[in-house]
Amino acid sequence: QSVLTQPPSVSGAPGQRVTISCTGSSSNIGAGYDVHWYQQLPGTAPKLLIFGNTNRPSGVPDRFSGSKSGTSASLAITGLQAEDEADYYCQSYDSGLSSVVFGGGTKLTVL
Amino acid sequence: EVQLLESGGGLVQPGGSLRLSCAASGFTFSSYAMSWVRQAPGKGLQWVSVFSGSGSSTHYADSVKGRFTISRDNSKNTVYLEMNSLRAEDTAVYYCAKTYYYDSSGNHNYDYWGQGTLVTVSS
Repeated sequence: QSVLTQPPSVSGAPGQRVTISCTGSSSNIGAGYDVHWYQQLPGTAPKLLIFGNTNRPSGVPDRFSGSKSGTSASLAITGLQAEDEADYYCQSYDSGLSSVVFGGGTKLTVL
Repeated sequence: EVQLLESGGGLVQPGGSLRLSCAASGFTFSSYAMSWVRQAPGKGLQWVSVFSGSGSSTHYADSVKGRFTISRDNSKNTVYLEMNSLRAEDTAVYYCAKTYYYDSSGNHNYDYWGQGTLVTVSS
């Protein structure tokens, strides 16, 4: 059971918009710790997608956006493309555990 | 270009030991905390340990505390993970990751990852 809760899977057709939620608690996201998102394409290492809740590293398309409110965060992907099919992980810090924590991951399927 | 190259993985018996290495290039190694994150087969990501860039501060996940030791050699741009008393549940791909942000409580995130090295603990 992950400290941060993500849906196991989401799907969407090419061109559509999908969102992936990441739900935490008062000891992690709700405590004000930043949320970061990583994309893991099949058979590859994770890649930083969003850092500090809403910021995109250079090279990440603006189709990807992040938000945070209360004890939750979300990753939105617009204009879905086949190449977006991957696993997505949220990450934060938990003060109760004194540990970096990850969500369980969400598999995005492009129909 | 930032590059992280892990090595040292392999098959080890339960109770055995293994040392992983991660050779870094393309950035000022001593200025950044370095971390190990693992991923069991078909599972999600799990943080293992982090070593600060300056000084000698380390943090460990509870699941590896007392068994794993992280270290670094800034003269060789390399970070290590010494793993002892290995268990079947330690079987995973171990990734080396460069931190983007790090503070003294151990809060950090990652901007670059290596390709990983597979550790299999089995008799």
